[in-house]
Amino acid sequence: GESVGLHLPTLSVQEGDNSIINCAYSNSASDYFIWYKQESGKGPQFIIDIRSNMDKRQGQRVTVLLNKTVKHLSLQIAATQPGDSAVYFCAWIHSGYSTLTFGKGTMLLVSP
Amino acid sequence: EPEVTQTPSHQVTQMGQEVILRCVPISNHLYFYWYRQILGQKVEFLVSFYNNEISEKSEIFDDQFSVERPDGSNFTLKIRSTKLEDSAMYFCASTRTGNGLYEQYFGPGTRLTVT
Repeated sequence: GESVGLHLPTLSVQEGDNSIINCAYSNSASDYFIWYKQESGKGPQFIIDIRSNMDKRQGQRVTVLLNKTVKHLSLQIAATQPGDSAVYFCAWIHSGYSTLTFGKGTMLLVSP
Repeated sequence: EPEVTQTPSHQVTQMGQEVILRCVPISNHLYFYWYRQILGQKVEFLVSFYNNEISEKSEIFDDQFSVERPDGSNFTLKIRSTKLEDSAMYFCASTRTGNGLYEQYFGPGTRLTVT
């Protein structure tokens, strides 16, 4: 099915706040999910991934939550820094394939 | 840290001309991809390539597009007769395996401008 993508195109936060970026997907056959960060003029950069048999995964300052019941994915960034300012994309892979489907991006703006 | 590289960083061409975008994937990776991103929009899959043949392709990847791995390091995307709507950022990516459960590493992209 078609991706639903992100609901919030821009998220503005203050430095030090926690940020939450959301993503909805429509294909329940997806079994691998990734968050990418894209800075201006650069390619997508891997942040964190999660497989469908998990509902939470933590990295350094980032946490991804997966709710398969409502087909929702979120990225939490703790103590957001100005360097976190970028566009964030969720992406997923359908079972049996290796190609990524990207959701719509969310611009994160961090003010000092 | 190994990285995917792409050349040129910016390509300007006239409508109807052929362009070749070049990528050097990470050396021990076996699966290669091209994606494109029209300005302000999401990244879209074009094609995947493994063992010298196309594995999957999207509806965008029509007869005007082709891919090739001419030697052991380069991976190219050719657009035979460019259209205005081909203007976009083109990203190459590679991954170690093709089972879809490993991170895809993206290059910095080539900005294609068709005039």
